[in-house]
Amino acid sequence: KQEVTQIPAALSVPEGENLVLNCSFTDSAIYNLQWFRQDPGKGLTSLLLIQSSQREQTSGRLNASLDKSSGRSTLYIAASQPGDSATYLCAVENSGYSTLTFGKGTMLLVSP
Amino acid sequence: EAGVVQSPRYKIIEKKQPVAFWCNPISGHNTLYWYRQNLGQGPELLIRYENEEAVDDSQLPKDRFSAERLKGVDSTLKIQPAELGDSAVYLCASSLGRGREGLTEAFFGQGTRLTVV
Repeated sequence: KQEVTQIPAALSVPEGENLVLNCSFTDSAIYNLQWFRQDPGKGLTSLLLIQSSQREQTSGRLNASLDKSSGRSTLYIAASQPGDSATYLCAVENSGYSTLTFGKGTMLLVSP
Repeated sequence: EAGVVQSPRYKIIEKKQPVAFWCNPISGHNTLYWYRQNLGQGPELLIRYENEEAVDDSQLPKDRFSAERLKGVDSTLKIQPAELGDSAVYLCASSLGRGREGLTEAFFGQGTRLTVV
């Protein structure tokens, strides 16, 4: 059974810092990995989707990398802003299952 | 373009009462998901539809949960009777379906926060 772990569980940084969120998964037979953002009381917003054949994806200040063989992904946020404060979730789709398995998320707080 | 729409946003019911949630996916999205998210946890899949067909409902507690997707568009998720442990956020998501390299990007609604007292 696929297990997804996100480290750290919570992170507090001052505005302007570059930061890295980590995601690891136990079964490397995945189709893709997706990073989401969730604001309190809200649904999930898709940030980046990385196909298994890709190494990374970029969107604005966000960069996500994928190392399928080692079961790891990182989400890099450059020049963090208070508006980046949210919970960040990663999810993987296992080959043959067609569903997403989520981690518990990293709660990020960026202070002005 | 409207995203995934869910209603109601909040629901408080007494245990043993029935409750229903409604989801309208993004137009043209063939795949629809219902997830449940407990506090401090990631979402967990309850059921996945491909058009009208429920293709993965292995995690749906079928003794009390039911779902339908009429005409392959809107979907409803029902709980009868509700238990205290059902308190959670129920999320609906949709996607275009399966591409060459797995599922396409999933888009989520705002969720329904259920409190069972």
